Amino acid sequence: AQTVTQSQPEMSVQEAETVTLSCTYDTSENNYYLFWYKQPPSRQMILVIRQEAYKQQNATENRFSVNFQKAAKSFSLKISDSQLGDTAMYFCAFMKPGNTPLVFGKGTRLSVIA
Amino acid sequence: DTEVTQTPKHLVMGMTNKKSLKCEQHMGHRAMYWYKQKAKKPPELMFVYSYEKLSINESVPSRFSPECPNSSLLNLHLHALQPEDSALYLCASTPRDRNRGYNEQFFGPGTRLTVL
Repeated sequence: AQTVTQSQPEMSVQEAETVTLSCTYDTSENNYYLFWYKQPPSRQMILVIRQEAYKQQNATENRFSVNFQKAAKSFSLKISDSQLGDTAMYFCAFMKPGNTPLVFGKGTRLSVIA
Repeated sequence: DTEVTQTPKHLVMGMTNKKSLKCEQHMGHRAMYWYKQKAKKPPELMFVYSYEKLSINESVPSRFSPECPNSSLLNLHLHALQPEDSALYLCASTPRDRNRGYNEQFFGPGTRLTVL
């Protein structure tokens, strides 16, 4: 079975600064997908960024980027130029190919401070 | 149409009531999911439907009864719930890309259920 670990229950960052959220996972699969989802107070789950395990290049989406280390089974999220709207719960998630469910970490609550 | 919709947004029900949650998507996705999420916790999988057939049931109590009448619609029928069933119920769907096997899950806004 796959597991996802987020070791930082809460973090805070000053507006315009950079913050990195950690995520490690455990799997025996070679092909899989990794995601970061954001859940603001509205509780809508929003996809932030995704990474296919077979791609060595780290994914980037505007201010969001990941550091994917497949051998170390690590998948951290870097948020640059943090904005107040980034305040949310962030979930790291793992998924095998096919119509399989997501396996979530416990989440990191990020607060962006003005 | 590029979203998953869920109705109602909020639901309050007594332990003897029967109610249903509805989830709809018109993106042609053939896998749909129900998750339950308690406050400050990650979503927990309840059911997976693939091509309108139930493929995963995570040992959910029978007071929750899923239904997938067609490829766009997913229902969750509720009966004789307990106060501990109060939670946010999230629906999600997954596209299937034969070339890329690309399987991101798209989530609806959820239904906040309170059982009195």
